[in-house]
Amino acid sequence: LAKTTQPISMDSYEGQEVNITCSHNNIATNDYITWYQQFPSQGPRFIIQGYKTKVTNEVASLFIPADRKSSTLSLPRVSLSDTAVYYCLVGDIYSGGYQKVTFGTGTKLQVIP
Amino acid sequence: DADVTQTPRNRITKTGKRIMLECSQTKGHDRMYWYRQDPGLGLRLIYYSFDVKDINKGEISDGYSVSRQAQAKFSLSLESAIPNQTALYFCATSEPSGKGEAFFGQGTRLTVV
Repeated sequence: LAKTTQPISMDSYEGQEVNITCSHNNIATNDYITWYQQFPSQGPRFIIQGYKTKVTNEVASLFIPADRKSSTLSLPRVSLSDTAVYYCLVGDIYSGGYQKVTFGTGTKLQVIP
Repeated sequence: DADVTQTPRNRITKTGKRIMLECSQTKGHDRMYWYRQDPGLGLRLIYYSFDVKDINKGEISDGYSVSRQAQAKFSLSLESAIPNQTALYFCATSEPSGKGEAFFGQGTRLTVV
């Protein structure tokens, strides 16, 4: 299993862009990088996934450098409703399923008014 | 209706009692998972199943058992509940295609007294 390291917590003011970086030095060739968001007492929810370079969807962007040893989740103009825990998962979720990835403690993002 | 439904949502039980947590999904996915989450911690995998005849232990299976009654149903049992099994339990499904995302239920909050 690829080991991931991300900040335990972050604070941001409303309207700012937030970047959460995840380190995964031992990422394997078949591994994908997937980010999830979890609100208190709710199940995690998929945000975005990538393999290399940049991926953007309606809620976030994911930046992955060429060596793939890290990734950065970017949330544009956060609002109070973005306060949640964000998990970085690295693994081959297609052939291996989710038993091949680990939900660590995540990054607790607190958005301040 | 939710794609992944867990019952009950909340349960208080006594030490030594047998309890079953149920999960049903309408996603049509073969892969299903049971996770446990303790306060301030990430999700830990208890059991997973890739089809009806496939059951596998996860990271923390001791004290738990599962049953895959159908593609859509995956139950978790605590044969003899103990207080340190007090936690938030999540069921999830995933498929090895598309975004490969996992879909989580709303969780079952279990308290063992």
